[in-house]
Amino acid sequence: SQTIHQWPATLVQPVGSPLSLECTVEGTSNPNLYWYRQAAGRGLQLLFYSVGIGQISSEVPQNLSASRPQDRQFILSSKKLLLSDSGFYLCAWRDRGLGNTEAFFGQGTRLTVV
Amino acid sequence: QKEVEQNSGPLSVPEGAIASLNCTYSDRGSQSFFWYRQYSGKSPELIMFIYSNGDKEDGRFTAQLNKASQYVSLLIRDSQPSDSATYLCAVCRRYSSASKIIFGSGTRLSIRP
Repeated sequence: SQTIHQWPATLVQPVGSPLSLECTVEGTSNPNLYWYRQAAGRGLQLLFYSVGIGQISSEVPQNLSASRPQDRQFILSSKKLLLSDSGFYLCAWRDRGLGNTEAFFGQGTRLTVV
Repeated sequence: QKEVEQNSGPLSVPEGAIASLNCTYSDRGSQSFFWYRQYSGKSPELIMFIYSNGDKEDGRFTAQLNKASQYVSLLIRDSQPSDSATYLCAVCRRYSSASKIIFGSGTRLSIRP
């Protein structure tokens, strides 16, 4: 069966510090991968999606970047965090082979920038 | 106009009653539609998906889709306290080489005993 791992679960970082969040998927090949952010009391905002190694599409201009160095690994990064980067970050995967399948989410990372 | 719109609530429903959650979307090219449930501090989990016009039932849950009106809803029968959560509507549209799932802001549902 497929599983998705996301870490760390919580993170407190000072303004101006770098960020690296990692997500890995097991049990599937060539998935579509997504990074979402959820601000407190809000819906999920799509940040990045990837259809393959090295292929990243950005949805919203921002202080973040994403990379996909391996087929089942997706990384969210920032060189210098802003207070507005605080939120609940969720990684998700979908099976690319079937057109309309649902997204499966990792456990999320709660990031607080102080 | 937001791509996916939901009433933020909170929607308060007595235990045992029917909860009705609504969602509208703006892109007529949307192909598939999902309802996720999210408990506070947790990641979303899939409740229902629907691709075709009409109703789809799964246990106490019924999803309804009307593509002409760009409207999708979720009915929860015999509401239980454990149904208290935020319900996220999501739509999927296929682009050139990928498909994106766009979420609404969610409706908070509270089931009162």
